[in-house]
Amino acid sequence: GESVGLHLPTLSVQEGDNSIINCAYSNSASDYFIWYKQESGKGTQFIIDIRSNMDKRQGQRVTVLLNKTVKHLSLQIAATQPGDSAVYFCAENKYSSASKIIFGSGTRLSIRP
Amino acid sequence: DTAVSQTPKYLVTQMGNDKSIKCEQNLGHDTMYWYKQDSKKFLKIMFSYNNKELIINETVPNRFSPKSPDKAHLNLHINSLELGDSAVYFCASSPHTYIRLKRRNEQFFGPGTRLTVL
Repeated sequence: GESVGLHLPTLSVQEGDNSIINCAYSNSASDYFIWYKQESGKGTQFIIDIRSNMDKRQGQRVTVLLNKTVKHLSLQIAATQPGDSAVYFCAENKYSSASKIIFGSGTRLSIRP
Repeated sequence: DTAVSQTPKYLVTQMGNDKSIKCEQNLGHDTMYWYKQDSKKFLKIMFSYNNKELIINETVPNRFSPKSPDKAHLNLHINSLELGDSAVYFCASSPHTYIRLKRRNEQFFGPGTRLTVL
């Protein structure tokens, strides 16, 4: 079946280090990918997106990498801060399914002081 | 000002009851969604409405019935609640019905409603 999954359910990172959250997807027809951050009390927020015609996109302290060959997506957070503690979701859009977004199961990122 | 709001935030009820969760967005978006997040944090789409019309209806029990009185509101009514319905339900909205490769299909989420069925 079609799925979007994360390799690691939890990730613990030292404050100041870089974090890398990985995601695998199985539908090669997906052409749009999104990372969301879910924090307790703050809801679910868009972080960064990438289209299938790109392999890298940078934001403020975040970079998303897309490898279509192996159907792999990653989110890199530079200089991880306590405020980065959250559950991170990757999601894919299938163009033929209009606005439907399929979410992965989430990775919890915890920051060690 | 809250962009996407849901009420109630917490809902505890007995099996067999009927309950509703309300969602409102003040962003002027055309499309609204309901997601269910289980205990393992898996977010799964349930329904999507565009301008009050149903466009996505995933395989959910017909005990779940969404209702959109206008494009700013999408309510979720659940009949005959079961233990397995316990979850966090998220409402979301987005400005675009269809993906445009030059535009961002960002969804704005509400704070969630934690439903506990006893």
